[in-house]
Amino acid sequence: AQSVTQLDSHVSVSEGTPVLLRCNYSSSYSPSLFWYVQHPNKGLQLLLKYTSAATLVKGINGFEAEFKKSETSFHLTKPSAHMSDAAEYFCVVRNRDDKIIFGKGTRLHILP
Amino acid sequence: DTAVSQTPKYLVTQMGNDKSIKCEQNLGHDTMYWYKQDSKKFLKIMFSYNNKELIINETVPNRFSPKSPDKAHLNLHINSLELGDSAVYFCASSPSPGTSGRFYNEQFFGPGTRLTVL
Repeated sequence: AQSVTQLDSHVSVSEGTPVLLRCNYSSSYSPSLFWYVQHPNKGLQLLLKYTSAATLVKGINGFEAEFKKSETSFHLTKPSAHMSDAAEYFCVVRNRDDKIIFGKGTRLHILP
Repeated sequence: DTAVSQTPKYLVTQMGNDKSIKCEQNLGHDTMYWYKQDSKKFLKIMFSYNNKELIINETVPNRFSPKSPDKAHLNLHINSLELGDSAVYFCASSPSPGTSGRFYNEQFFGPGTRLTVL
């Protein structure tokens, strides 16, 4: 069975400091992995995706994520947080059988 | 240009009523989805259609009935609304499978419809 665990429901960082949002997955196959961002009262927007090419994936707005098969992780990082990064972030796994599983989300707070 | 649009944006109604939410995508995608997001922001897939055919139907009460008149539209009709149906409903679409296969493709989401049942 496949699953996605976002280890923190809330993360608070100061503006200008690094961001780390953690995601672990469980999958019977080599999955595709995605990070989406949802700003308040908005739909979801793709940040980046891993599809079995490079393990370090760069996305929009300075975010990147590294696929680590040995750790079954796909953590999202950004070197320097901006106030506009405050949002809900979702890690998603998608398998060859087309099951799509969303994590429960991590709310990122940016402190001035 | 709006890629995935939903109407209405807000829907407030009484228990027991029947309502519909419409979704349209102008991206030429073959696959469309409905998701429900509860008050804790948890997203759960409800339905998926590919070329107007139902391919995913999760454990959803049969009061919910999706209808796809063509591959650019996927509407959601809800009968006998209940308090627990209050949520934000998102429509999404995915690109055609192509040579890489559908499971590589990301989804494009609409802005959501906030349904409040009183």
